[in-house]
Amino acid sequence: QTVVTQEPSFSVSPGGTVTLTCGLNSGSVSTNYYPSWYQQTPGQAPRTLIYSTNTRSSGVPDRFSGSILGNKAALTITGAQADDESDYYCVLCMGSAIWVFGGGTKLTVL
Amino acid sequence: QVQLQESGPGLVKPSETLSLTCTVSGGSINNYYWSWIRRPPGKGLEWIGFISYSGSTNYNPSLKSRVTISVDPSKNHFSLKLSSMTAADTAVYYCARVPPGRLYYFDYWGQGTLVTVSS
Repeated sequence: QTVVTQEPSFSVSPGGTVTLTCGLNSGSVSTNYYPSWYQQTPGQAPRTLIYSTNTRSSGVPDRFSGSILGNKAALTITGAQADDESDYYCVLCMGSAIWVFGGGTKLTVL
Repeated sequence: QVQLQESGPGLVKPSETLSLTCTVSGGSINNYYWSWIRRPPGKGLEWIGFISYSGSTNYNPSLKSRVTISVDPSKNHFSLKLSSMTAADTAVYYCARVPPGRLYYFDYWGQGTLVTVSS
């Protein structure tokens, strides 16, 4: 069974930089999995941040960037702001139109 | 601006079948692909399934035996049926659009609808 792994929680200071990662229980994440990232705050629908590893969705500030770091996909937030405090999800496309979400990372800004 | 809106019952009894519809406005359902995703309370997002505008489908293997997704281009909407509902299916259900091409992500989302399974 494919499991997509994310850090359950992370903390960053205001103005700081944080990198969240997205891995696989077996194997490495590559661009072939078309990793995408979503931000969700309580009571809201997910917001698309990054797709195809490193392409920012329309309107997303360049403080958010995506990459492959080692064997994982990564989301880096630079200059963290208070309203970045959210849940962040990565999702990998495991084949033609089959997706697996990671468990999500709860980011605290303090 | 494309908008997606989920509709359906907020309360379903155990063992019954959930039926949800996602109506697309501000754009055509044709030439795009569509998905259902859910988030149980206190848990993360879970992909349920996918349908193309032509009707081909893929489902989460863990739900495949209970899920049916269909599309009605004439009404510009697509639908989800999930049978044999249990408390574990209580969740906010979202519909989302998948753009064409080898991009494989969700670019527009509905606001979500809470479905509670309870007798």
